[in-house]
Amino acid sequence: EVQLVQSGAEVKKPGESLKISCQGSGYSFTDYWIGWVRQMPGKGLEWMGMIYPGDSDTRYNPSFQGHVTISADRSINTAYLQWSSLKASDTAMYYCGRGGFFDLWGQGTLVTVSS
Amino acid sequence: EIVLTQSPGTLSLSPGERATLSCRASQSVSSNYLAWYQQKPGQAPRLLMYGASSRATGIPDRFSGSGSGTDFTLTISRLEPEDLAVYYCHQYETSPRTFGQGTKVEIK
Repeated sequence: EVQLVQSGAEVKKPGESLKISCQGSGYSFTDYWIGWVRQMPGKGLEWMGMIYPGDSDTRYNPSFQGHVTISADRSINTAYLQWSSLKASDTAMYYCGRGGFFDLWGQGTLVTVSS
Repeated sequence: EIVLTQSPGTLSLSPGERATLSCRASQSVSSNYLAWYQQKPGQAPRLLMYGASSRATGIPDRFSGSGSGTDFTLTISRLEPEDLAVYYCHQYETSPRTFGQGTKVEIK
């Protein structure tokens, strides 16, 4: 089955670091971009950035650049989104998606940042 | 950055009615690199249309997309109760990619 499976929900404190994952299966992982999308509570979708696992070419939305890092390990068909210092405003659902337009979505990872 | 503006914010219609959702871009989306997604409550988004007018796999033919340049439309020809959702347009031509703010479709 072609799918993207994301890591589970996280509860963190402000200032802590976090790395969430998105594992692809059932297709050639290195042939498609993987993008990350933020959805804050009750709000719309925001495009954060994307990576091409084949050569690790990475693009960021300037609104998120410097606050998050996108990476990938093609040996295990997994893309990552990480923070070195979380803020309360990072509380959101994070989705990964496949391709330029997202024809396949992960189930989402809920990140809660609270003291 | 290309700003996408969707209208209306909310659409309230009865089953069987026609729904017309608009997405206007702040600059031309050449090559029609415009997609539409459906997000039902508590679920991840799902691709409906890409290339402005190509239906994604498994999407019923009551969904159709049209438009070019700066004006795009998603039409649901005969609304069904399961179409209750928020619909987003998305341009994937230039970086940063952007989404519209969404149109909520309510079923009377």
